[in-house]
Amino acid sequence: AQSVTQLDSQVPVFEEAPVELRCNYSSSVSVYLFWYVQYPNQGLQLLLKYLSGSTLVESINGFEAEFNKSQTSFHLRKPSVHISDTAEYFCAVSDGGSSYKLIFGSGTRLLVRP
Amino acid sequence: SAVISQKPSRDICQRGTSLTIQCQVDSQVTMMFWYRQQPGQSLTLIATANQGSEATYESGFVIDKFPISRPNLTFSTLTVSNMSPEDSSIYLCSVVGAPDTGELFFGEGSRLTVL
Repeated sequence: AQSVTQLDSQVPVFEEAPVELRCNYSSSVSVYLFWYVQYPNQGLQLLLKYLSGSTLVESINGFEAEFNKSQTSFHLRKPSVHISDTAEYFCAVSDGGSSYKLIFGSGTRLLVRP
Repeated sequence: SAVISQKPSRDICQRGTSLTIQCQVDSQVTMMFWYRQQPGQSLTLIATANQGSEATYESGFVIDKFPISRPNLTFSTLTVSNMSPEDSSIYLCSVVGAPDTGELFFGEGSRLTVL
């Protein structure tokens, strides 16, 4: 069965600094990968996704993630964070197909300080 | 993207009572999913609800504790029965975002606190 590991439970960073949130998944023939963000007291929002094609995917608010098949990783990065990026970030994986079952990592809390 | 509305958004419940959470989607969907997010933890799939059939429960979740209804293609309910403090969680409804990709859209969740 698929599993997702987010090694960092919390990442504190100063505003305008770069950040990387790590995500590794157990290998599979093919996977779809997602990053979801949960702002305080809100539901989950899809941040970005990798389905196929270019291994580098970007979001509209400056985040990017790179699918690395050999390392089974899908790390999330942003070159310069803002206070408003403070949130919980969840990496998730799906085998695709008809089950639509998402396996989530344990989450990483990004805490941006002024 | 689908717009998903959940009610209640939050509630405080007494031990031993039951609460039903409603999920309304603004478009017709075949599959709806119910997830649980316990305090400080990640999301765990409770069950998949297809219209016109019994819900499919994941390991560790049973129908007696979490009965689900799916009366039509835009609506579902999840009941948390005989609640205990361990049931204090955020319960999220979700629907498929794009076919054959595993992408899901989520409602804002229902935050339950059981005293």
